[in-house]
Amino acid sequence: GDSVTQMEGPVTLSEEAFLTINCTYTATGYPSLFWYVQYPGEGLQLLLKATKADDKGSNKGFEATYRKETTSFHLEKGSVQVSDSAVYFCALRIAGYSTLTFGKGTMLLVSP
Amino acid sequence: EAQVTQNPRYLITVTGKKLTVTCSQNMNHEYMSWYRQDPGLGLRQIYYSMNVEVTDKGDVPEGYKVSRKEKRNFPLILESPSPNQTSLYFCASSSAGLGREVADTQYFGPGTRLTVL
Repeated sequence: GDSVTQMEGPVTLSEEAFLTINCTYTATGYPSLFWYVQYPGEGLQLLLKATKADDKGSNKGFEATYRKETTSFHLEKGSVQVSDSAVYFCALRIAGYSTLTFGKGTMLLVSP
Repeated sequence: EAQVTQNPRYLITVTGKKLTVTCSQNMNHEYMSWYRQDPGLGLRQIYYSMNVEVTDKGDVPEGYKVSRKEKRNFPLILESPSPNQTSLYFCASSSAGLGREVADTQYFGPGTRLTVL
């Protein structure tokens, strides 16, 4: 079946550090890929997405590139802020189907 | 403001006492879904609905019921809650075209934290 694997957290960084959160997937069809973010006490929000190979999704300084050859969609940010502290979920959806398949989430903690 | 609302936000109950968690969206979305979030397991889908009167099981439907009598509402019903249903529950919605073409972006509610004693 379809699955998403994320690096385990928490990831602890100092402000202005570089961030990478790894995400790899297995899919029976051709997936769209997503990163969702969950701030403390809130629901999930779509952070960025990519719908085909080599697409780069970007938002709020975060980026991720759809790499079909390595089945990966790693999230990166050049300089994190304290306000980026949250749980980040990688997810996929197969074209023609409604269900989102989520990874287990990675907590990011950024200290001043 | 476009939003998904859930009620209650927090609920503590006892084993076997029926409860309903409501979910409502004001975006005229066809697709709605329930997830539960548990530590180390991420989000798992419980049930989803493609439109009024159309519901399907997700990955973990046991012990839950849903209904979709109106487009905006998608309540989650626990007929006889058990402690293993203690979790954080999220409702989500999305637009959908013909068939199963759900839009990429799903909008999530703020969550309902349920504790079953």
